Amino acid sequence: DAGVIQSPRHEVTEMGQEVTLRCKPISGHNSLFWYRQTMMRGLELLIYFNNNVPIDDSGMPEDRFSAKMPNASFSTLKIQPSEPRDSAVYFCASSLALYNEQFFGPGTRLTVL
Amino acid sequence: KNEVEQSPQNLTAQEGEFITINCSYSVGISALHWLQQHPGGGIVSLFMLSSGKKKHGRLIATINIQEKHSSLHITASHPRDSAVYICAVRRETSGSRLTFGEGTQLTVNP
Repeated sequence: DAGVIQSPRHEVTEMGQEVTLRCKPISGHNSLFWYRQTMMRGLELLIYFNNNVPIDDSGMPEDRFSAKMPNASFSTLKIQPSEPRDSAVYFCASSLALYNEQFFGPGTRLTVL
Repeated sequence: KNEVEQSPQNLTAQEGEFITINCSYSVGISALHWLQQHPGGGIVSLFMLSSGKKKHGRLIATINIQEKHSSLHITASHPRDSAVYICAVRRETSGSRLTFGEGTQLTVNP
């Protein structure tokens, strides 16, 4: 079985550009989580979905960040416009249900110049 | 003070040693997770527990809810165990949101 799939694995962009990160959860999992990891702040939850519905987006840093889950097998995290302080590794994770063990994707390393 | 504190921050051991990493938390929780992050960056969930003890291979995780404390033990450590180990708690009042510790960097030398 494939695990959580994220793309791209690496993204380098210039300040002001739009960035879209993609995630495919494990088939059959109903919950999806987006995390950000930086040296300064460690791992932080940005938003999570249950059955494609956003449940808690209080971790989204500001309006430049948005996330969607149009169907059970796909989610996007968009940053527009991007800023250098958005440089981080962004992880997507999925779980069978909200309170189950979470399985992490390989992450997308984002560098905003 | 962080809600989740791990100790030690860094740990160096010789192959074969028994290793303990500690996690203390200050809030009511419904579950505690132990995660492993490899040098390449990937994160693997090791355990999710809410009481007692769990064992998987050479890894053992324990939790004491009354004392708000969990430990991760590695028996017969091996260089491939070198990684960052992260404790995360799911607070009783925060749904599925996890609060993470800062991680413990473990290096096991051959």
